[in-house]
Amino acid sequence: DVKVTQSSRYLVKRTGEKVFLECVQDMDHENMFWYRQDPGLGLRLIYFSYDVKMKEKGDIPEGYSVSREKKERFSLILESASTNQTSMYLCASSLWGLAGKQTQYFGPGTRLLVL
Amino acid sequence: SQQGEEDPQALSIQEGENATMNCSYKTSINNLQWYRQNSGRGLVHLILIRSNEREKHSGRLRVTLDTSKKSSSLLITASRAADTASYFCATDARAGGTSYGKLTFGQGTILTVHP
Repeated sequence: DVKVTQSSRYLVKRTGEKVFLECVQDMDHENMFWYRQDPGLGLRLIYFSYDVKMKEKGDIPEGYSVSREKKERFSLILESASTNQTSMYLCASSLWGLAGKQTQYFGPGTRLLVL
Repeated sequence: SQQGEEDPQALSIQEGENATMNCSYKTSINNLQWYRQNSGRGLVHLILIRSNEREKHSGRLRVTLDTSKKSSSLLITASRAADTASYFCATDARAGGTSYGKLTFGQGTILTVHP
C-alpha cells in the first residue's frame, strides 16, 4: 500500500525560527512536491523535485527552501518563519513517466502555526 | 497559478441525492484528475480522465470532459454522509518537454451530505 508520511501533524513555532518539515515516501517515486493550502486559495505549489538533489521552484517559493538528499525524503525549510506562513502544508509524490499520467499521492498534512 | 476553478464552491444535499461539481480550466491539458480531501487530511486521488476521453466511470463516480469548453464535471450518484469532503480538480498543462508531473489544483468544492 502506498504511503507518504509527514513528520508532524501539528507544529507551533515562533517568528524567526528555522522550521523543517519532513516528508517520506515508500513508493520509490521520482517526483515529490510541497504545497501549502489556505482557505479560499486552494493548493499552491511551493517547490518540487524530480530526482535526488534536483529541485524546481513552484508558484510561491519565496521564504522557503527544500532539500532532497535521498530519493524517499523531501524536506521543506522555512529559513525564518513568519506569521504569514501559518498554513496547512501538504507533501505529495508521483512516478516519473509520460507527461500527464502521474497520479499524486499525498501525506496527511502538517498544520503549522507561527506565533 | 491556479488553472482549475470549481463550481459551486459549496454544495449541501441529502443522502441519496446526486451531487454534481464542475471544473473549468484555461490551457490545453493532457488529462484531468479529481481528488477528494476529508477535513484536515491529505488529498486522495479519485479518477483520471485523459484529454481524448469524454466520459469515465468508477463505482458511483462519473466524470465527463469537454475539451472544447475546457470543462469537466464530477457526478457522485446516490450520495452518502461519508461522501462529505472537499473535491478538487487538477490539471497538467500540455506543453513541450516534460511536465515532471506538475498539477495545478482548483480551489475545490465543499460537499456536505446530510443523513
